[in-house]
Formats: sequence, structure tokens, C-alpha cells
Amino acid sequence: AQSVTQPDIHITVSEGASLELRCNYSYGATPYLFWYVQSPGQGLQLLLKYFSGDTLVQGIKGFEAEFKRSQSSFNLRKPSVHWSDAAEYFCAVGAYNNDMRFGAGTRLTVKP
Amino acid sequence: NAGVTQTPKFQVLKTGQSMTLQCAQDMNHNSMYWYRQDPGMGLRLIYYSASEGTTDKGEVPNGYNVSRLNKREFSLRLESAAPSQTSVYFCAGRWTDSYEQYFGPGTRLTVT
Repeated sequence: AQSVTQPDIHITVSEGASLELRCNYSYGATPYLFWYVQSPGQGLQLLLKYFSGDTLVQGIKGFEAEFKRSQSSFNLRKPSVHWSDAAEYFCAVGAYNNDMRFGAGTRLTVKP
Repeated sequence: NAGVTQTPKFQVLKTGQSMTLQCAQDMNHNSMYWYRQDPGMGLRLIYYSASEGTTDKGEVPNGYNVSRLNKREFSLRLESAAPSQTSVYFCAGRWTDSYEQYFGPGTRLTVT
């Protein structure tokens, strides 16, 4: 079965600084990759997805992610973080058989 | 559209009690899912229903049952609650020709 690793449990960045959240996956075939964001007490909101084609994908709220097959990675980036970006971020890998696996999440704190 | 809705939002049970968590969607999703979210573990799939009338076990099905009542509704039942089932439960749905899932706001369950 597929699996996802998010190496960073917690990241703190200053407002206005750039952000990169790491995600590594394990899957034998072409993966379907996702980033979700969860604000406190809320459900998960889809930020962006990768199925095929261009390896740099754009999402909502100014986020982007790059799929690198050679590194089995799908890192999330944002050039300039806003205080409202403070949340927990989950990377997920989906398979054709309805099985989606999530990473443990990275909690983002934004310093003023 | 309300999207994916879950009831109740919060619930406290005593060990051994039973309850049913309700999920409904008005997005015409074919597949529906139940996950549990525990700190440091991301989301883990309990059960899913690929289409109306079918259900299948996910990663952590023990202690749970599900019913796909119709296309809109997918319920999760705890027959005899245990403290290990203290968690936040999320319902999600997706369309057949798309792999991203759309999540409800969650139910926070505490078993004492």
C-alpha cells in the first residue's frame, strides 16, 4: 500500500517569509497527490492536486507544489506567508482503488 | 449547497454505549468515506463506500460498522464504545471520475 511521510511535525516562519513543507511518498505506480489544509476545529480543505502532466501545480491561496518523481516528493511552497496561513497541512497520496493515505501533518505557526 | 455535513459536532459517551455518526452530502458524490484523526497520525480510513449499496473496510475498521443508506447518506456506528475510539471523525465524498475527496467539518467524540 502507499504511504506518505511528512518529516516536519511543526514549522514556524515569520509573516512575509517563504515557506516549503516537505512530503515524501511511497507508491509503486503513478500517484495521485494532494495537499490539504486544516484550520483549528475545521475539516480539511483541498489546496491542490497532481494527477499527471505539468509537475508544478498551482493551488488556492497562492500555494504551489512540485512533483519530483526521482525524489518521490511533492513539496508545498508559498513565496510569502500570511498570518492566516497558520494551520495544519496534510499531504496525501491516492490510488485507483479508493485508498487514500495521509501523512501525519505539519503544523505551521506564523510569527508576526 | 451544504456540501458534506456531519452530525453531531461533539459527543461524549461512556464505555460500552453505542451511537451512530451521521454524514450526508448534496454534491452527488458516488463514493463516501469515514476517517478518524488522531494526534500525530494523520487521517486513517475506517470504511468506505464506492457506490450506493457497497461498503468496504479501510485501514482501521475494528469496532465500527457502516451503512450506506442511499446515495446521499453514509453512517458510522459504534456498537460498544471504547476509550480507544476517542478521536475526531471525518466523513468525505468524491466523484467517480475525480480522485480528490471533500470533507465534512468533523465529529469530536470522547469515550470515558
